[in-house]
Amino acid sequence: QKEVEQNSGPLSVPEGAIASLNCTYSDRGSQSFFWYRQYSGKSPELIMSIYSNGDKEDGRFTAQLNKASQYVSLLIRDSQPSDSATYLCAAYNDYKLSFGAGTTVTVRA
Amino acid sequence: DAGVTQSPTHLIKTRGQHVTLRCSPISGHKSVSWYQQVLGQGPQFIFQYYEKEERGRGNFPDRFSARQFPNYSSELNVNALLLGDSALYLCASSSRTGYNSPLHFGNGTRLTVT
Repeated sequence: QKEVEQNSGPLSVPEGAIASLNCTYSDRGSQSFFWYRQYSGKSPELIMSIYSNGDKEDGRFTAQLNKASQYVSLLIRDSQPSDSATYLCAAYNDYKLSFGAGTTVTVRA
Repeated sequence: DAGVTQSPTHLIKTRGQHVTLRCSPISGHKSVSWYQQVLGQGPQFIFQYYEKEERGRGNFPDRFSARQFPNYSSELNVNALLLGDSALYLCASSSRTGYNSPLHFGNGTRLTVT
């Protein structure tokens, strides 16, 4: 079992719609969770961090964490073509991040 | 402020050779981590250094080694290169260790082994 699993993509959404990304993790000792955006050929860019159960909003992004279900999600509201990228979910435990394989999002104009 | 800087940006090596990758963290950051990302996968943890000491090591062979210098910059060394070592090598820095200290990645070094 992989430590972090993300819903398989690719995910295609029309401009202005909500993109919903999901992630589950296997290690209950994971202490914090991050979403990174990675454009093709570029390095990951931190967009959200979440440490406690509930929702965290930052602009058009909302991260949700449910530790009991070992589930993390990211909502992107009012999706823009510039949001087209691969989104990586990561869980922190014992000095390292464990990443999922990523979900590729394409926003159609 | 400058972000995490890595050099070189691209590198082509032959099987069996040795490679050294370099990383300078964000100013004030004392922790440096190295990750390997192969095409289509998420980054995989290789090493973490904090205050010049190795704090963690991922599931990579002994051909991989690293160190951190007094100015907090870091080197990743890979000996006896294999074709499977071809990947994007990412360096990340954080101000400290711990669950609430997010990693900030550099632009990476793309290594191709032929």
